[in-house]
Amino acid sequence: ETGVTQTPRHLVMGMTNKKSLKCEQHLGHNAMYWYKQSAKKPLELMFVYNFKEQTENNSVPSRFSPECPNSSHLFLHLHTLQPEDSALYLCASSQEPYQPQHFGDGTRLSIL
Amino acid sequence: DQQVKQNSPSLSVQEGRISILNCDYTNSMFDYFLWYKKYPAEGPTFLISISSIKDKNEDGRFTVFLNKSAKHLSLHIVPSQPGDSAVYFCAATGNAGKSTFGDGTTLTVKP
Repeated sequence: ETGVTQTPRHLVMGMTNKKSLKCEQHLGHNAMYWYKQSAKKPLELMFVYNFKEQTENNSVPSRFSPECPNSSHLFLHLHTLQPEDSALYLCASSQEPYQPQHFGDGTRLSIL
Repeated sequence: DQQVKQNSPSLSVQEGRISILNCDYTNSMFDYFLWYKKYPAEGPTFLISISSIKDKNEDGRFTVFLNKSAKHLSLHIVPSQPGDSAVYFCAATGNAGKSTFGDGTTLTVKP
């Protein structure tokens, strides 16, 4: 058990759909992250939240909208995505931003 | 421009021998470095880290070496075991905890 749970594990959506990815951590951590991993590319940091406040937006398009209602939950709201947004989306948490991160198993997103 | 590079996409070693995975970085502001291990269909798992004030950190079979002047770090696994077969990512952290990852190296340990 990773301590970081992501749902759903797989998602197929059309370009006009709206969906949300969910991440939950049971580790009592204060920092949470969204990463994108495209084929043959390194993990790309998208967003960082520390104590529910967004501290990093790595030039992510506005069609990705994060939400962190509390330190245990993180959402990524998706709307009007493009085919190039198909990727593995990983959520992670850490006690503080400089600490090692614990990752979920990811959501495999496919945009039709 | 990629700030963290793992130039070897794959590495194959015999069980019991040493595995050496390498990572280079360009940003001198990075001050904390980590190695993660990833099995298929799972998220990365933290393995070992090193602060920029040190040049070596050891944890069991795993040792990370940091050469700041060369902006190079390496992960040594000895002895290598078949269960170590996975993708290994190095990550460099600076600027309020923002981590930058390398492409990963796929390690295969043959029995």
